Amino acid sequence: RKEVEQDPGPFNVPEGATVAFNCTYSNSASQSFFWYRQDCRKEPKLLMSVYSSGNEDGRFTAQLNRASQYISLLIRDSKLSDSATYLCVVKGGSQGNLIFGKGTKLSVKP
Amino acid sequence: EAQVTQNPRYLITVTGKKLTVTCSQNMNHEYMSWYRQDPGLGLRQIYYSMNVEVTDKGDVPEGYKVSRKEKRNFPLILESPSPNQTSLYFCASSIKRRDLDFLRSLLAKNIQYFGAGTRLSVL
Repeated sequence: RKEVEQDPGPFNVPEGATVAFNCTYSNSASQSFFWYRQDCRKEPKLLMSVYSSGNEDGRFTAQLNRASQYISLLIRDSKLSDSATYLCVVKGGSQGNLIFGKGTKLSVKP
Repeated sequence: EAQVTQNPRYLITVTGKKLTVTCSQNMNHEYMSWYRQDPGLGLRQIYYSMNVEVTDKGDVPEGYKVSRKEKRNFPLILESPSPNQTSLYFCASSIKRRDLDFLRSLLAKNIQYFGAGTRLSVL
């Protein structure tokens, strides 16, 4: 089982749609979880951290299920500008390094 | 402005010709790291450094060297580049990991800063 797994997509959705990304991780000792956003040919940028109780930032909601080792990101009312690749990131390993999923590509169409 | 600066942004070279990609950060971060990103493989860590003079291998260190003689700089060295090192490279930095939880409690927005990337082609 890969350390961090994501559906690669692409997810093609119309503007205004609600879209959900899922991610699973293999190391049950993982401590911290994040979603990063990466635009084409650009560096990854932190979108939001994921807290155990779930957290929301505007149209974005992140949830964590430690028992199932599962993380999700929900985007409501999709905008054209949301088109990007979304990376699930887990802080794990003996040194606590960040481990990146391969990313899920989202395309929001007019 | 807080930033991680990589140079060069683009580089085309030939097999066997030594090259160095520089990385510099102005945030006094202790932790720095190099990644490569390839289609279908995502971001993979090459080397990382917890502090000055402390470096460790990541997941794909073969063919690479690093050094951390001072806090702000973390160059990536390819002694004898090969075509399979053609990739997009990112340098990143962050504060000491044990401070992360403290910063999260302050709703810190940026856990790890990334440079803009270096696109390397080895012919």
